[in-house]
Amino acid sequence: AQSVTQPDIHITVSEGASLELRCNYSYGATPYLFWYVQSPGQGLQLLLKYFSGDTLVQGIKGFEAEFKRSQSSFNLRKPSVHWSDAAEYFCAVGAPPGANNLFFGTGTRLTVIP
Amino acid sequence: DTGVSQNPRHKITKRGQNVTFRCDPISEHNRLYWYRQTLGQGPEFLTYFQNEAQLEKSRLLSDRFSAERPKGSFSTLEIQRTEQGDSAMYLCASSTTSDRGRNEQFFGPGTRLTVL
Repeated sequence: AQSVTQPDIHITVSEGASLELRCNYSYGATPYLFWYVQSPGQGLQLLLKYFSGDTLVQGIKGFEAEFKRSQSSFNLRKPSVHWSDAAEYFCAVGAPPGANNLFFGTGTRLTVIP
Repeated sequence: DTGVSQNPRHKITKRGQNVTFRCDPISEHNRLYWYRQTLGQGPEFLTYFQNEAQLEKSRLLSDRFSAERPKGSFSTLEIQRTEQGDSAMYLCASSTTSDRGRNEQFFGPGTRLTVL
């Protein structure tokens, strides 16, 4: 069975600082991996995805994530955070092929202070 | 492209009543998904359709829940005899099959259900 752990419930960073959100997964093989962002009252927006190949994945809004098979991790990073990045971030895993049933972590809430 | 739309956005009902939500996927997408998100949690998979066929259902989808996608376009999710534990955000997503099945799910804004 698949599972996702996001160990940080809440993170606060200063605007302009770097950001890393942690995600660890449990799956018997290499899964498909996703990061979504959810602003208050909004649906989920896909930031980036990993299916195979290059383990460093670039996404929208200046985000990137690195897949590390040895650590079962897919951490999200951004070199310089903007106030508009304040939101809830969810890591998700899907089983190939198709990834029809996504398993989500419990999310990390990001607060950005001026 | 208008994205995935869901109606209503908010629904307040009394325990024991039936409710129905609607999801309109992105027009060219043949797959449609329903998820439930409770406060402080990530979304949990409920079910998905490919065209009009319901291909997978979660154990979370009790007998009181039924989902349909009659013509392979919009979908409805009905909850009968609502309970307070059904209070949640119900999210719909859609995707299109691609080669090797690497589909990306695009989410709607959700329907927030409150059961009093």
